[in-house]
Amino acid sequence: NAGVTQTPKFRILKIGQSMTLQCTQDMNHNYMYWYRQDPGMGLKLIYYSVGAGITDKGEVPNGYNVSRSTTEDFPLRLELAAPSQTSVYFCASSYKGPPSGADTQYFGPGTRLTVL
Amino acid sequence: AQKVTQAQTEISVVEKEDVTLDCVYETRDTTYYLFWYKQPPSGELVFLIRRNSFDEQNEISGRYSWNFQKSTSSFNFTITASQVVDSAVYFCALLKTGANNLFFGTGTRLTVIP
Repeated sequence: NAGVTQTPKFRILKIGQSMTLQCTQDMNHNYMYWYRQDPGMGLKLIYYSVGAGITDKGEVPNGYNVSRSTTEDFPLRLELAAPSQTSVYFCASSYKGPPSGADTQYFGPGTRLTVL
Repeated sequence: AQKVTQAQTEISVVEKEDVTLDCVYETRDTTYYLFWYKQPPSGELVFLIRRNSFDEQNEISGRYSWNFQKSTSSFNFTITASQVVDSAVYFCALLKTGANNLFFGTGTRLTVIP
């Protein structure tokens, strides 16, 4: 199993550009998540999904959109990139989550995004 | 509200020394989960351990051990006989039962000097 994979690893955007961060997991996990990590900080949840077709906002959703058309894929879309979105983005997945119980979230390698 | 505090921003030790990373959490919930993740210089996040709030048994895995004390809301992590490969940022995180959001501390950067 490759686990959770993310592309690209690095990207530089200009202000106002858009892009999609890709995330794929091959562990047949139901739950998927997007976090951002700002310098010197812990991770904060952007969006999550409990299954194909179902997504919900996390702690910091503004400026982002997500979709979940398959169990494996959970892309994160940035519209009109801003310098405040400069961060490292992590995708994660877990087999199950609430209300059936918590499970360990496994993380991808991250995407480092710079907006200039 | 949930909060995780890792007061030690950076720690340096000489190889083979023992080191303890502190984690203090706040939650009003009676059931929750605590995690430790390792972020090596390569940047990925590696899961180390999960502990639920009903299980206060300490755990040992090789050179790693964890001390969970509900009375002091702490979940400390000790590395015995540290090695250079242990150099990383270590994050403590809290997950409230019924929630999807892992609350992370700000991390402790551990440097092991050869």
